[in-house]
Amino acid sequence: EVQLVESGGGLVQPGRSLRLSCAASGFTFDDYAMHWVRQVPGKGLEWVSGTSWNSGSTGHADSVKGRFTISRDNAKNSLYLQMNSLRSEDTALYYCVKDMQPDIFGYFDLWGRGTLVTVSA
Amino acid sequence: QSALTQPPSASGSPGQSVTISCTGTSSDIGYYDYVAWYQQHPGKAPKLMIYEVSKRPSGVPDRFSGSKSGNTASLTVSGLQAEDEADYYCCSYAGYSVEVFGGGTKLTVL
Repeated sequence: EVQLVESGGGLVQPGRSLRLSCAASGFTFDDYAMHWVRQVPGKGLEWVSGTSWNSGSTGHADSVKGRFTISRDNAKNSLYLQMNSLRSEDTALYYCVKDMQPDIFGYFDLWGRGTLVTVSA
Repeated sequence: QSALTQPPSASGSPGQSVTISCTGTSSDIGYYDYVAWYQQHPGKAPKLMIYEVSKRPSGVPDRFSGSKSGNTASLTVSGLQAEDEADYYCCSYAGYSVEVFGGGTKLTVL
């Protein structure tokens, strides 16, 4: 089955770190760019980070630059998001998302169900 | 990286057409033809409806069409149906491996 399954979310205090993981299956993982997109419940979508098929190109939104790092392990068909110095405004549902292309184009054709991150004291 | 601008709401009666705009800048929509549109029903993950400005993925009805002029992209839904009621988001490549979404438009079928 073609799917993305996120894990690693939870409740964390401001200033602490969290690492999200995404397990991909049913498609050739290293043929495609991958992304993290977040959404505050009831609010809009926000692109967070993206990485090309071979990690040669990566990008982060200004809101997370310097705090979050995206990475992938093609041997394990996995995508990661290391989140440091977390803030209350990082509270959201985090989606793991597949791009249609090997490079970062923004054509998100497969979405996971999301993992909820709550940053609160 | 500023969010793309979409109207917060749009509406139309069944069978009618409705167009949703998405305004960016000369650094994103105006420079790149890498614009996509997503449909999101409540409690569901978004679904890709249009990519590369005007292309439809397999399975998306041809009632959905996309276009671009200058710094503004548009999504048109023709022959509105009840199941088209959802939130719609545009997204554009903004250079340097960065993407930007619009704020979203809630489409109501009257």
